[in-house]
Amino acid sequence: GAVVSQHPSRVICKSGTSVKIECRSLDFQATTMFWYRQFPKQSLMLMATSNEGSKATYEQGVEKDKFLINHASLTLSTLTVTSAHPEDSSFYICSASGLAGADTQYFGPGTRLTVL
Amino acid sequence: GEDVEQSLFLSVREGDSSVINCTYTDSSSTYLYWYKQEPGAGLQLLTYIFSNMDMKQDQRLTVLLNKKDKHLSLRIADTQTGDSAIYFCAESSRGGGNKLTFGTGTQLKVEL
Repeated sequence: GAVVSQHPSRVICKSGTSVKIECRSLDFQATTMFWYRQFPKQSLMLMATSNEGSKATYEQGVEKDKFLINHASLTLSTLTVTSAHPEDSSFYICSASGLAGADTQYFGPGTRLTVL
Repeated sequence: GEDVEQSLFLSVREGDSSVINCTYTDSSSTYLYWYKQEPGAGLQLLTYIFSNMDMKQDQRLTVLLNKKDKHLSLRIADTQTGDSAIYFCAESSRGGGNKLTFGTGTQLKVEL
């Protein structure tokens, strides 16, 4: 149990385009989903926290108009990087919590975004 | 804000025990976690410990918590080459449903 998937696993796009990344909890209902960004050889940086049906809470310094988060159902959250630029290239990882009887975060496999 | 520190690198021989250390500053931490990340992959939850526990063992993994010193360790017995990865400790002040603060990560290299 507690499987979280992300799609796509890898995406390359041109500067100025928008990219949508999906995060799904496959076998449990995720009341809360988190989006992280990880630079090479660094730790995870929390970008935002989203609760199903509510607006996401963004961490300080994260542009909410650039990183659009939607958590429309208990099993799906999406992160859209709008007007992507090369500096947005990174590894994006989502996590989900809400598994009955536990409050632990379970992580997706990550999405490697490369903006040319 | 909260701060979680780890040593950056650890090298051990196959079959030896590995001990990865972590220190944190948030005295209100209630859960502490160990995650494993292999290259190009997400994080795999290895184990977690509640702050009122001193030790937790799960097969080859032993977690020790010294709450007074705010020190957490992960011991891997009989370390194998497949254990080579980056290990992150993380703390939460109200379970994993609340925000996690991650350590800097420790790169474990297992040599033959």
